[in-house]
Amino acid sequence: GAVVSQHPSRVICKSGTSVKIECRSLDFQATTMFWYRQFPKQSLMLMATSNEGSKATYEQGVEKDKFLINHASLTLSTLTVTSAHPEDSSFYICSASRDGWELFFGEGSRLTVL
Amino acid sequence: AQTVTQSQPEMSVQEAETVTLSCTYDTSESDYYLFWYKQPPSRQMILVIRQEAYKQQNATENRFSVNFQKAAKSFSLKISDSQLGDAAMYFCATGGSQGNLIFGKGTKLSVKP
Repeated sequence: GAVVSQHPSRVICKSGTSVKIECRSLDFQATTMFWYRQFPKQSLMLMATSNEGSKATYEQGVEKDKFLINHASLTLSTLTVTSAHPEDSSFYICSASRDGWELFFGEGSRLTVL
Repeated sequence: AQTVTQSQPEMSVQEAETVTLSCTYDTSESDYYLFWYKQPPSRQMILVIRQEAYKQQNATENRFSVNFQKAAKSFSLKISDSQLGDAAMYFCATGGSQGNLIFGKGTKLSVKP
């Protein structure tokens, strides 16, 4: 079956630095990918929709200058958390869409900002 | 705007018994899907079952079935013959035509041996 891979699975960084998380569709082309954020013991919150070759669409309340999304190819979307602070520590999950309604989730990336 | 409400933060079921998880939703989309996802401690999201809103017939997937009441905007999940491996967080979700999902707060299911 289709696989979506995220890297890194865990990352620890210092406050003020930037961190990049990659989301790859391994065996299909994904014109659309989605980024979610999940705080401990909470639900997944949609952050943005990443469209190949165009700007990402951000959900209300998500700072686009802080969470930079790039979807440069049909198999890769990246989320960069810029000038990270402890409150950005969270679990970030991507999903990729194949043929519209077939959605596949990555394994998630745990970000800890010290 | 879309919202998903799961009113049961935690549920418990005896192994081999049946349990039903509740979900209600609201959406302005005319074409939408409804989903149940399972999230075990590994945090990997696993699709349990999916329902197209335009289909009246309830979706089933082995031991998992849904009761979809479109007029009431209700989408409950029934797990039959519960197994220890079913223990996890269960999230109900709805998505519009683009495929972006809105999730409920989740129900933590425990299975007692």
